[in-house]
Amino acid sequence: QVQLQQSGPGLLKPSQTLSLTCAISGDSVSSNTATWNWIRQSPSRGLEWLGRTNYRSRWYSDYAPSVKSRITISPDTSKNQFSLQLNSVSPEDTAVYYCARRFCRGIMCLDVFDLWGQGTLVTVSS
Amino acid sequence: DIVMTQSPDSLAVSLGERATINCKSSQSVLHSPDNKHHLAWYQQKPGQPPKLLIYWASTRQSGVPDRFSGSGSGTDFTLTINSLRAEDVAVYYCQQHYGTPPWTFGHGTQVEIK
Repeated sequence: QVQLQQSGPGLLKPSQTLSLTCAISGDSVSSNTATWNWIRQSPSRGLEWLGRTNYRSRWYSDYAPSVKSRITISPDTSKNQFSLQLNSVSPEDTAVYYCARRFCRGIMCLDVFDLWGQGTLVTVSS
Repeated sequence: DIVMTQSPDSLAVSLGERATINCKSSQSVLHSPDNKHHLAWYQQKPGQPPKLLIYWASTRQSGVPDRFSGSGSGTDFTLTINSLRAEDVAVYYCQQHYGTPPWTFGHGTQVEIK
């Protein structure tokens, strides 16, 4: 059974760097069909897709314009996991952060999300 | 970015009755190469991540009860829950996955029991 297990701190001060990790079991971060995403949820911004990484002969990453200048999503093949780094956080970055895998059925894949981590509440406060 | 607008924000429905949730996209999400609407629906219960219910606007994910159905075309879509059950109390979201990122979500509709 495929699972995603998130880890990382839940309390940050403004200007610090948010770092979260999503450990994958039952699938491979280097899969040629999967994409590995970070999504956050807050009362003010709702569900917000932040970015993704995937391997297609080489590693690719895409980011939402709203965070593009501050975000890095990267794989760790040795640990079969991927991570989120968000720099210079502010209280507006307070949210529940989720990692998620896109849905594939056979060779058909869609950018919707059928597997999610448990969520990590990250609070940014001085 | 494609903006997704859901209505209503909340609705209360009697057990066994029908719930209808609307979602409008700011541009068409019809993907010409496969002639499918790239619109999905999720259910989220408190303390849980969203659960994928429907993709391609009307295709139920494996294991989703057939009382959940999706319809619509172009920019206007509907999620219908027939014969509402207590376990269907949740927030429902639409999401577009058309073209290139960023993928965007509606702000959610809370379904409650009347």
